[in-house]
This record gives sequence, structure tokens and C-alpha cells, in this order.
Amino acid sequence: QKEVEQNSGPLSVPEGAIASLNCTYSDRGSQSFFWYRQYSGKSPELIMSIYSNGDKEDGRFTAQLNKASQYVSLLIRDSQPSDSATYLCAVNTGGFKTIFGAGTRLFVKA
Amino acid sequence: NAGVMQNPRHLVRRRGQEARLRCSPMKGHSHVYWYRQLPEEGLKFMVYLQKENIIDESGMPKERFSAEFPKEGPSILRIQQVVRGDSAAYFCASSLASPGSEPQHFGDGTRLSIL
Repeated sequence: QKEVEQNSGPLSVPEGAIASLNCTYSDRGSQSFFWYRQYSGKSPELIMSIYSNGDKEDGRFTAQLNKASQYVSLLIRDSQPSDSATYLCAVNTGGFKTIFGAGTRLFVKA
Repeated sequence: NAGVMQNPRHLVRRRGQEARLRCSPMKGHSHVYWYRQLPEEGLKFMVYLQKENIIDESGMPKERFSAEFPKEGPSILRIQQVVRGDSAAYFCASSLASPGSEPQHFGDGTRLSIL
């Protein structure tokens, strides 16, 4: 089992819809969770960080964490074509290493 | 620009040559991480350094690869005797505090091509 798993996609949603990206992790002791956006050929850009169970909202983005079920998700409301990118889930278990998922490709159709 | 600076952006080497990748962390950051990314794949952790110390190098091949973060100057990822399989994007990230408590901020990467 991979330490951090994401559906590779592509996930295709129409403009204005809600895009839902999911991530599961294997280490129950994981403490810190991050979502990064990466455009093709570019570097990962931090979107959200979440540390406790529940929802965290920032503009059109909402991160949701459920430690009991070991999943973290990212919702993007009112999706725009400019949101088309690969979204990376990253998990830190409290040690030195942050583990990245392989990413989910999101395509927002105009 | 106060972000993570990497250079060069693109590096071409012939098999057997050495590649040196440089990374200057964000101002005030003393924690540096190196990752490797192949096309259509995720980021693979290589090494984590603090000033003058390698903290975790579990993701870095034992041979041909080395990393340093001297007291003065940028962090260096060095690949000796490069082979075709070393072709990849190498990203550096930095954080203000130790992993977990602070997110990592990434540089623009170095695209290494081996002829």
C-alpha cells in the first residue's frame, strides 16, 4: 500500500462546478496535511495546510480532514479553467519526511 | 524575490559528467529539502538538510549523489558520473521550521537532461 494515495485522474468538471479531490494515507500518526497545485512544467505551489479534523476554508478552496478514516480532501468551488492543474496531497507523520502523493490531474472545461 | 531560488533552470550534461544543482532557501529558512520528479509522476523525497547538517538522506541513492548545505551559500545537490536515468526535474524546497509544523515552499526547479 502506498503511503499517500490519490486518484491520478484526469478529473474533468465543467466551469462553475465543484471539483472534489481526495487523498488517503496509511500512517495513522500523521499530523500535518498539505495541498499543492502544480501547473505543467512549473513548481508545486502551496494552496492549503490543515492540521486538525474538520473543514478549513480559504476563498474557493476547502480542505477537509478525517483522521479516523485517514483521508483528506480538497474542494474547489466555482471551478475555473485556470484551476486546471495537478493537485498534490502531502502528508507529514511528525518525522522528517513529508510524503507526496502522485497527484490528481484536474481539467476544468470552459 | 524572496522565494526559493534554484539555478540553473535547465542543465544539459553528457553521460559521465557531473551535475551541480544549487538552491538558495527563502530568507530566514534554515531547512532545505530536495525532491526529484519524473514526468507524470509525483515528487520523490531525496534529502533533508539544515545548515551544515544532513538530517535525512534516506531517499537519495548511496552512490553518485551527495548534498550539502554549508554555513554560507546555497545548498548543493551534486550528481557525479551522470547516467540517462538521472534525467528529471529536481526541486528544492525550504521551510521556516522543522517538517510537519510548517509547509514547504518550492523553487522553480532544475530540469536536468542527460545526452
